[in-house]
Amino acid sequence: EPEVTQTPSHQVTQMGQEVILRCVPISNHLYFYWYRQILGQKVEFLVSFYNNEISEKSEIFDDQFSVERPDGSNFTLKIRSTKLEDSAMYFCASSQYREDADTQYFGPGTRLTVL
Amino acid sequence: GENVEQHPSTLSVQEGDSAVIKCTYSDSASNYFPWYKQELGKGPQLIIDIRSNVGEKKDQRIAVTLNKTAKHFSLHITETQPEDSAVYFCASGGSYIPTFGRGTSLIVHP
Repeated sequence: EPEVTQTPSHQVTQMGQEVILRCVPISNHLYFYWYRQILGQKVEFLVSFYNNEISEKSEIFDDQFSVERPDGSNFTLKIRSTKLEDSAMYFCASSQYREDADTQYFGPGTRLTVL
Repeated sequence: GENVEQHPSTLSVQEGDSAVIKCTYSDSASNYFPWYKQELGKGPQLIIDIRSNVGEKKDQRIAVTLNKTAKHFSLHITETQPEDSAVYFCASGGSYIPTFGRGTSLIVHP
């Protein structure tokens, strides 16, 4: 069964450093998403991406964040200058159709720890 | 924006009992309501979803009901098993940005 994969599983970084989280969505999916889950809290939407551009983003997704699909398989989330409060699990998801009309499949997540 | 409330935050049941988790939403334009199961250290996994054109959907031991008038939907798990223990999240697919509930920690005691 196809699945969304994410690397690394755990990333530790110093405050102020840049990090890139990587995702490989399911191959025939067209919509890609990033979510964040701070420990013990609910999953929060960050951004959705379609046709090589951002289609929706939340208030959390400020200028420190960017997304990219550098090739035909990878989908990345970059945090330019990490802050302590960026520590969280980051989940990538993909769907075949539009956000509200089809199911999203989540990856296992990357745990980001900012020291 | 959309607001999703989920109750209870913790639910403890005996194996074989039923479990019910409830969510309410605020955006009347919402038309897609998935439920996710999240096991420790893993990402949310879709277990069932419902769209606004139906009132109930069932998949083996799991069912979801939707009341669009009252803006609430519920997850029902029958004959619970220890492996059902996890955190369950509801979500509302309104305004194209999905909003999640705060999660329910379900504990099934053998």
